[in-house]
Parts: sequence; C-alpha cells; structure tokens
Amino acid sequence: DQQVKQNSPSLSVQEGRISILNCDYTNSMFDYFLWYKKYPAEGPTFLISISSIKDKNEDGRFTVFLNKSAKHLSLHIVPSQPGDSAVYFCAARRGGGSEKLVFGKGTKLTVNP
Amino acid sequence: DTGVSQNPRHKITKRGQNVTFRCDPISEHNRLYWYRQTLGQGPEFLTYFQNEAQLEKSRLLSDRFSAERPKGSFSTLEIQRTEQGDSAMYLCASSLDSSTEAFFGQGTRLTVV
Repeated sequence: DQQVKQNSPSLSVQEGRISILNCDYTNSMFDYFLWYKKYPAEGPTFLISISSIKDKNEDGRFTVFLNKSAKHLSLHIVPSQPGDSAVYFCAARRGGGSEKLVFGKGTKLTVNP
Repeated sequence: DTGVSQNPRHKITKRGQNVTFRCDPISEHNRLYWYRQTLGQGPEFLTYFQNEAQLEKSRLLSDRFSAERPKGSFSTLEIQRTEQGDSAMYLCASSLDSSTEAFFGQGTRLTVV
C-alpha cells in the first residue's frame, strides 16, 4: 500500500531549465509534506516543506506546490544546475501527533550541462 | 560539523549473528528516528523516540529488532539473529520538535551474508 507515490523514476533536464518533480498521495490525513534530496552513499538532506494550510512555499530556486483536492504536490527547481543531480524523495506526515514520515520511492534527477 | 552521526558506516555480518548500530543525534534534538532503506525504495519508518521514550514503532520492527535511547541522547538499534532480508541501509534522523524537519545521518549499510 504505497501511500506516497512518485510515478517517475527518473527525469532528465538541461542546465538552466526548470525541473518539475511530482508526488501523489492517497491518505487525506497527511498534513505536512517534505522534499528530501539524496546523493549516493549519503543520508537524505532536507530541501523544503509545506503545511497543508498552504498551497505554495518558496526557498530560493526551490518551490513546492500543494494541491490538496488532487492530493498532489510538486517541486519546481529553477534554474536547474548540474549539482542538483540526485534522487529526490517526497515525504508526508499524518496529523494527530504521529511523527512518522512516509516516503515515496524517489525520482532520480539528472541535470545535463 | 555537529550533524547526525551514525556508526559504523558499513557492517558485514553472517546470517544468524547479532548486530548493533549507534546513532548520535544533533545535540539539542529531543526527537530521534530510525528508518530502513532498501534498493529502489524510499526510507521506511522503523521507530521514534522523544527523549528516552519510544513512542512509535512500525510493524516492520519485528521482535528481532530492538531500539533504545537510554539517556535521551544517543540511540542504539540491535538486530538479533540477522537474516539476509535485513540487508539494507539503516538511517537515523533527529529533529528539535514536531514542527521542524528531521535531519538524517549518513546511514549504516548492513550486508548479511
């Protein structure tokens, strides 16, 4: 039962263009969403988060959009840089005191120079 | 750098042996999490501590797995009678409180032969 789904295993983008990574979820109890980036042989690194009371959050080149009615969120990276090449994980947390994060399977982003 | 520290980074063990991993969280963080990641999957939640209290445990945490955080600082994860299916990356994370993101360590890669 995959409650957080990242349907694109990989994405390739040219340097300077926009990268859009998508994530869908099924559990309507999720109220907090995060994106993590992971390089090989390292632990995940926090990128950006969004609460369910918002529909957009920006941090520099990274913007996360949340569409609660569609149970969909996306991460936009503009402009993309070769150093952004990594695996990106979407994660969600349920309200009501649970601190467990549920992760998607990840999307491998490659930014070509 | 006072990030989350995990030891050892790699562990190879024979099936049936017991193994123990250690996690040192960021010093002021009272929340500590253990996750497991296998190839092609996102991290899966195992357990969570608030200070020394273990507040959530996943069904993934069979009776061969035990985690402790005796003084509310470092934590250990022990796997008894290891099986080949236990081969994975074991990730530890910590956070300051429920409203902030979790920071991950680099993980311990376990290989059971």
